[in-house]
Amino acid sequence: SQTIHQWPATLVQPVGSPLSLECTVEGTSNPNLYWYRQAAGRGLQLLFYSVGIGQISSEVPQNLSASRPQDRQFILSSKKLLLSDSGFYLCAWSRGGLGNEQFFGPGTRLTVL
Amino acid sequence: QKEVEQNSGPLSVPEGAIASLNCTYSDRGSQSFFWYRQYSGKSPELIMSIYSNGDKEDGRFTAQLNKASQYVSLLIRDSQPSDSATYLCAVRDGDMRFGAGTRLTVKP
Repeated sequence: SQTIHQWPATLVQPVGSPLSLECTVEGTSNPNLYWYRQAAGRGLQLLFYSVGIGQISSEVPQNLSASRPQDRQFILSSKKLLLSDSGFYLCAWSRGGLGNEQFFGPGTRLTVL
Repeated sequence: QKEVEQNSGPLSVPEGAIASLNCTYSDRGSQSFFWYRQYSGKSPELIMSIYSNGDKEDGRFTAQLNKASQYVSLLIRDSQPSDSATYLCAVRDGDMRFGAGTRLTVKP
């Protein structure tokens, strides 16, 4: 069966500090990978998605970036965090194809102070 | 702008009742439809997917899709307090788009 991991689970960072969140998937090959952000009381905002190693598509221009160094690893980064970057960051995976379900990791709750 | 709309709630039902959650979407080209359950502080969990018009049942859950009306719903029969959560509707036409969710409270 497939498993998706995210770490850290919670993070408190000062404004202007860097960020690195990691997501890994087990039990599948060539997954599509996604990063979402969910602000308090709001819906899911797609940040990045990847259909393969080194292939990143950005949905929202901002101070975040993503990388996919390995088939089942997806990393979300920032060089300088803003207060508005606070939120619940979710990694998800799906099989290739347009209609497939997305499955979410446990998430990372980021607070920027 | 392609949108997925849900009533934010809260929707409150007594234990044992049927909870009805509704979702409308704007993109007629959408082909895949999903319901996720999200407990407070947790990540969304997929509970139902539906791809064709009509009803799809899975245990106490029934998803209903009407593409002509651009409407998808989720019925929860015999609601339990453990069903209290936010329910997210998602629509996929290539990109996955999520509604903001409906908060459901089931009162004992």
